[in-house]
Amino acid sequence: SQTIHQWPATLVQPVGSPLSLECTVEGTSNPNLYWYRQAAGRGLQLLFYSVGIGQISSEVPQNLSASRPQDRQFILSSKKLLLSDSGFYLCAWSLGVAGGLHQYFGPGTRLTVT
Amino acid sequence: AQSVTQLDSHVSVSEGTPVLLRCNYSSSYSPSLFWYVQHPNKGLQLLLKYTSAATLVKGINGFEAEFKKSETSFHLTKPSAHMSDAAEYFCVVSEMDSSYKLIFGSGTRLLVRP
Repeated sequence: SQTIHQWPATLVQPVGSPLSLECTVEGTSNPNLYWYRQAAGRGLQLLFYSVGIGQISSEVPQNLSASRPQDRQFILSSKKLLLSDSGFYLCAWSLGVAGGLHQYFGPGTRLTVT
Repeated sequence: AQSVTQLDSHVSVSEGTPVLLRCNYSSSYSPSLFWYVQHPNKGLQLLLKYTSAATLVKGINGFEAEFKKSETSFHLTKPSAHMSDAAEYFCVVSEMDSSYKLIFGSGTRLLVRP
């Protein structure tokens, strides 16, 4: 069966510090991968998605970036965090049409920028 | 462009009474629609999905939803609420391009009173 991992589960970082959040998927090949952010009391905002290794699409301008160095690994980064980067970050994967279009979500990372 | 509108930001019901969470969608073609549930500080879990098969879709935990094209609606129902149903619910539509991005509604928080 497929599983999706995210770490760390929680993170407290000062403004201006770097960020690296990691997401890995097991049990499937060539998934579509997604990063979302959920601000307190709000819905989900798609940040990045990837349909293959090295292929990253950005949905919103920001000081975050994403990379996909391996087929089942998706990394969210920042060189300098802002207060507004605080939120709940969710990674997800899907198989597109072959998988029924829905996405499977990881447990999330709670990021607090102080 | 596709979109979803969740008509209620909060719904409060008594335990044992029916649940109705409303969702309307906008799509230029036959959409794929989903309902996800999120418990506090957790990732999202797929409740059910509609992908152009039967219009009445049954999901997990006794939830079901009916796709009504004439009303562009996909309301979520459950005959009898349980305390464990208290969570945030998202109505979602899928983009039908190669990214298969999900477009999320703003969410409905379900409160269940004892």
